Amino acid sequence: GAGVSQTPSNKVTEKGKYVELRCDPISGHTALYWYRQSLGQGPEFLIYFQGTGAADDSGLPNDRFFAVRPEGSVSTLKIQRTERGDSAVYLCASAGGRLATNEQFFGPGTRLTVL
Amino acid sequence: QQQVKQSPQSLIVQKGGISIINCAYENTAFDYFPWYQQFPGKGPALLIAIRPDVSEKKEGRFTISFNKSAKQFSLHIMDSQPGDSATYFCAASRASGAGSYQLTFGKGTKLSVIP
Repeated sequence: GAGVSQTPSNKVTEKGKYVELRCDPISGHTALYWYRQSLGQGPEFLIYFQGTGAADDSGLPNDRFFAVRPEGSVSTLKIQRTERGDSAVYLCASAGGRLATNEQFFGPGTRLTVL
Repeated sequence: QQQVKQSPQSLIVQKGGISIINCAYENTAFDYFPWYQQFPGKGPALLIAIRPDVSEKKEGRFTISFNKSAKQFSLHIMDSQPGDSATYFCAASRASGAGSYQLTFGKGTKLSVIP
């Protein structure tokens, strides 16, 4: 079946603008994670959803970042008043279904550039 | 505090040789240790994973060796091929109270396999 998809693949915005990044998880996966990967670094955890609820948002860097998953499938990561330091690749991963819940499958990411 | 330390940062191996990447962790509560492979412009892809109740796991040309007492684990790629050229990340996770298996990644190793 289809893997995790993310849109857009690239997003260029100006400092201070608002952006939304979308994640479509693997069908049937109940767990969804967002990570941020800065250049030359490993991904860093942002937020975890189990179903519709944000069960762990301890990785969000500040209150400009917010994520939703209203129907337990698609998730949107929202960033307000973007800053140049927000430039990174934002990765989404899903887990669950018939496999062990801690096997996470990643999407291709959205490359965000804040000018 | 970097919870998962990965070395080397970059590695050049001759075709047919063995590639070895090492990781060390600090949190003894970690109970799942995956390795991910990432090509430029793509998301990380799960290669192989191990739990601390075994010392070694082999899948094809890829082997994880795990030393629980030393809190270290390593990835061995046998008969390395140019197509293996990518960035490799080790990671570790544990179940949180919220049911999250958030991954803590190393900084990555850029592997180049030369013909």
